[in-house]
Amino acid sequence: GENVEQHPSTLSVQEGDSAVIKCTYSDSASNYFPWYKQELGKGPQLIIDIRSNVGEKKDQRIAVTLNKTAKHFSLHITETQPEDSAVYFCAAQKGGRRALTFGSGTRLQVQP
Amino acid sequence: GAVVSQHPSRVICKSGTSVKIECRSLDFQATTMFWYRQFPKQSLMLMATSNEGSKATYEQGVEKDKFLINHASLTLSTLTVTSAHPEDSSFYICSASFRGHALNTGELFFGEGSRLTVL
Repeated sequence: GENVEQHPSTLSVQEGDSAVIKCTYSDSASNYFPWYKQELGKGPQLIIDIRSNVGEKKDQRIAVTLNKTAKHFSLHITETQPEDSAVYFCAAQKGGRRALTFGSGTRLQVQP
Repeated sequence: GAVVSQHPSRVICKSGTSVKIECRSLDFQATTMFWYRQFPKQSLMLMATSNEGSKATYEQGVEKDKFLINHASLTLSTLTVTSAHPEDSSFYICSASFRGHALNTGELFFGEGSRLTVL
């Protein structure tokens, strides 16, 4: 089955700096790659996603890049703010309506 | 966006009792719902996939007789933890796939999770 690896496990940045989280996946048939933000005691919230026919997607301070050949994708957060502090999960999916396989998560701490 | 609601958000029970968690899609029909389990400071691990009107498909290592899943309608799936023990204490999260999504994009909507504590 699919295996998703995520790095780093923890990331601490100063407010205003950029943060980058990287994931790799194993199944070349995966074609959908969402990123979720999870705050303590809550369910994951989708923040951005990318599909395999696109190499990059941006939404304000958040961007995701995908390299299908290398089977890795990354989350970029610019101008970080303290409210960005949370655990971020990448995920991969092989086809619509199938379960997501999650990475191990990255705890992001933005220092004011 | 679509909303998935879970109830209860927190439950504490005694060892040996059974607990039911409900997952509802509030404004869309969900042909498929997924149940995940998350232990503290760990990732979400898929437990089972439930399709409306059919038996759930369980992941390897998940006991189907212990974690009963029912998906009786397009808006409701339930997870019952039978004869719960302290090691079943975890955060249980459901997600739903939107029926008839035009692009079949795969986007899944997550509930807020249910924290189970077994004493």
